[in-house]
Amino acid sequence: DIVMIQSPHSLTVSLGERATISCRSSQSLFSSRKNYLAWYQQKSGQPPKLLISWATTRGSGVPDRFSGGGSGTDFTLTIDNLQPEDVAVYYCQHYYGDPLTFGQGTKLEI
Amino acid sequence: DVHLVASGGDLVQPGGSLRLSCTAPGFNINNYWMTWIRQAPGKGLEWVANMKPDGSGQKYVDSVKGRFAISRDFARNLVYLQMNRLRDEDTATYYCGSGAGWLVEQWGQGTRVTVSS
Repeated sequence: DIVMIQSPHSLTVSLGERATISCRSSQSLFSSRKNYLAWYQQKSGQPPKLLISWATTRGSGVPDRFSGGGSGTDFTLTIDNLQPEDVAVYYCQHYYGDPLTFGQGTKLEI
Repeated sequence: DVHLVASGGDLVQPGGSLRLSCTAPGFNINNYWMTWIRQAPGKGLEWVANMKPDGSGQKYVDSVKGRFAISRDFARNLVYLQMNRLRDEDTATYYCGSGAGWLVEQWGQGTRVTVSS
């Protein structure tokens, strides 16, 4: 199974500043010129929401303050100009094949 | 956006069975890969099962193989998760999701399953 490791476990950032979350996979997620890596945001009491797919493609309606980077086994989620509504837990997930696995989550606070 | 609705969660005793349902009112989910993902209280996300649009290709996480089954009712636009021989560790909120492939693009509100005597 592919193991996904996120860091840090929690993060406190000031309003208007930048937050960066890292995700590392135990094997490369790159195939056919794509990285099979997604980022999800989960606010308290809500289901997760897709933020980023294919490591760098923002989901529908996702503000451009959110950006994804990386390739192979090392990925990042960057949130610029942090807003109060960004308080959430963020998960990376590979969809390279079964079993799909998630990182353990990063709790972002302001 | 697709609004998925999961239902069927309940309190059940260990060893019991439960069937969860997922639908999307006004939207045809028969063209999409469908996925079940769960979240134990205060914990992270765990993929449980998924299947192709044609109802084939069911895949499961090891911990539920032989106990859970994902299926579709095309006529009723429903996806099911039949859960048998439930264990305490199956206690979680279960989310259904849809997408064009393995990627879960849309998530529904979850349904809560509690396994306890």
